Amino acid sequence: DAGITQSPRYKITETGRQVTLMCHQTWSHSYMFWYRQDLGHGLRLIYYSAAADITDKGEVPDGYVVSRSKTENFPLTLESATRSQTSVYFCASSTVDETQYFGPGTRLLVL
Amino acid sequence: DQQVKQNSPSLSVQEGRISILNCDYTNSMFDYFLWYKKYPAEGPTFLISISSIKDKNEDGRFTVFLNKSAKHLSLHIVPSQPGDSAVYFCAASGGANSKLTFGKGITLSVRP
Repeated sequence: DAGITQSPRYKITETGRQVTLMCHQTWSHSYMFWYRQDLGHGLRLIYYSAAADITDKGEVPDGYVVSRSKTENFPLTLESATRSQTSVYFCASSTVDETQYFGPGTRLLVL
Repeated sequence: DQQVKQNSPSLSVQEGRISILNCDYTNSMFDYFLWYKKYPAEGPTFLISISSIKDKNEDGRFTVFLNKSAKHLSLHIVPSQPGDSAVYFCAASGGANSKLTFGKGITLSVRP
């Protein structure tokens, strides 16, 4: 079934470890986004990408790295996880019409 | 500085009544507005949108109203159903890069 998927759905890691969250979409949407959702903050944009090999920072990019070698994939890497990065992470994609479609989310706990 | 504000964190209404969810924005460059609905343990799902050239958009039980002069939009749900209980996010966009700015969300509870 076409759509947007995220893996893993749940992840527990330790402070200082590298973690990569995966996002895959089958719509061939040009735009892809990473958000984190925290209590009291709503959805905050971490990074986004307008096309393969084009990425840009969002509101809260520090501590995160992204890449987009293929249109359908947009992995998010926490290079050295910190407790403040405990959150729920959502990936989204869109065409240029600005309606974004979200994945199911990855719940990350950093101990 | 929060550009999209949902000032009420929660709303409780009785089944069958109208739910009115409010959203204010500060950036006059925003020209496209969306509402998303989110159930626990799921991703947000698109509900309805409105362009700044309109002041109303309707889709079934859901209607979004836009007041550009007041920089205010609202989502009306009529009649409200228990399945509408969820967190609702208001979002806004301006420019060509498809970025959305979200509010903090409002939790709607519809009582049977």
